[in-house]
Amino acid sequence: DQQVKQNSPSLSVQEGRISILNCDYTNSMFDYFLWYKKYPAEGPTFLISISSIKDKNEDGRFTVFLNKSAKHLSLHIVPSQPGDSAVYFCAASLGTGANSKLTFGKGITLSVRP
Amino acid sequence: DAGVIQSPRHEVTEMGQEVTLRCKPISGHDYLFWYRQTMMRGLELLIYFNNNVPIDDSGMPEDRFSAKMPNASFSTLKIQPSEPRDSAVYFCASGHNTDTQYFGPGTRLTVL
Repeated sequence: DQQVKQNSPSLSVQEGRISILNCDYTNSMFDYFLWYKKYPAEGPTFLISISSIKDKNEDGRFTVFLNKSAKHLSLHIVPSQPGDSAVYFCAASLGTGANSKLTFGKGITLSVRP
Repeated sequence: DAGVIQSPRHEVTEMGQEVTLRCKPISGHDYLFWYRQTMMRGLELLIYFNNNVPIDDSGMPEDRFSAKMPNASFSTLKIQPSEPRDSAVYFCASGHNTDTQYFGPGTRLTVL
């Protein structure tokens, strides 16, 4: 059973507009969340993260929002650029330490149209 | 640093054959992870090591899969015998902890 769900497989956005990528999780014990970005023929790369003690974390054009009561997080990209076109994976972990591990969603393919 | 190195990048084999995937993590990283990516299941953790010791292998699908890490700079994932349903992209990742992981380019495995 998928504990981290990215229900929309794809998203298409016009350049300059906002991209909103959604992620839901089922395990209320998750307390650290990350987004990874993946280009074709490459491995995923870390993008941004958020701890459960926060509800927002911002890094340049990328902002992650966390709604613990809804078990939902989202990644906002503003403004979207063609180079943002990639697969975005949401991931969650049970804290940090030797026995924590990342649980990934299936990914969302973002296409930013010029 | 060259990043995480995986070999081969592509592997095509026939059902029943043994397949060995190789990984060289980033020097100094204590953790090493093996993942499998498929359309149906996304990115799944198969096994991970801390200081060359397997910590969690609960994601290994069955006994046909095995992984080793004989030293800090090398790991292998072996499938014996391989089956068509093993076709996927296999990623190796390393890191100083379990959160921020650095992924290799992956090995695309096709089992005919």
